[in-house]
Amino acid sequence: DGGITQSPKYLFRKEGQNVTLSCEQNLNHDAMYWYRQDPGQGLRLIYYSQIVNDFQKGDIAEGYSVSREKKESFPLTVTSAQKNPTAFYLCASSTSGGPTATQYFGPGTRLTVL
Amino acid sequence: QKEVEQNSGPLSVPEGAIASLNCTYSDRGSQSFFWYRQYSGKSPELIMSIYSNGDKEDGRFTAQLNKASQYVSLLIRDSQPSDSATYLCALEQTAASKLTFGTGTRLQVTL
Repeated sequence: DGGITQSPKYLFRKEGQNVTLSCEQNLNHDAMYWYRQDPGQGLRLIYYSQIVNDFQKGDIAEGYSVSREKKESFPLTVTSAQKNPTAFYLCASSTSGGPTATQYFGPGTRLTVL
Repeated sequence: QKEVEQNSGPLSVPEGAIASLNCTYSDRGSQSFFWYRQYSGKSPELIMSIYSNGDKEDGRFTAQLNKASQYVSLLIRDSQPSDSATYLCALEQTAASKLTFGTGTRLQVTL
């Protein structure tokens, strides 16, 4: 089955810890994205990558880091510098980063800071 | 003005009725528009995409785009309880390889 997988589904973090969220796709998509969603809010873009070994900051990149070493994988690290990390994190991918490219989403990871 | 505006709802419609969801945007250069459906606790799934002015129909769903008035809408005919969800409007702004999302409209289809 082709698709996007995210793990874990639920993640609990203690204050001051870094955590890494996994995102893998087997759709052969070039572009990948990370969003954050807070209750009752829309999606806010954290980072995106249009090609391997390259990525750009989105609207709320502070306190987050990413890497894109493989086309299939785009992990997101939530660092201790992110002051309010509790949220629903969504990974998406698309065929290209250009206009009209439809984004498809993974199932999401719900992060809670204890 | 927000880049993408949606009424948060909830919009309540009886089963079998037409649900009309609206979205306005500020960037006149936006070219690509998308409607996603999101059930509570789940990730968004694509319902419709539309790129040119006019109507686009897919089953019970019709997307309408009016670039001059800067709005895009989604009509759901014969609404079913399973249509109860939050509907997110998204668009690709001028020269940007990324989507901007509205905050979504919550739809409730009542029996």
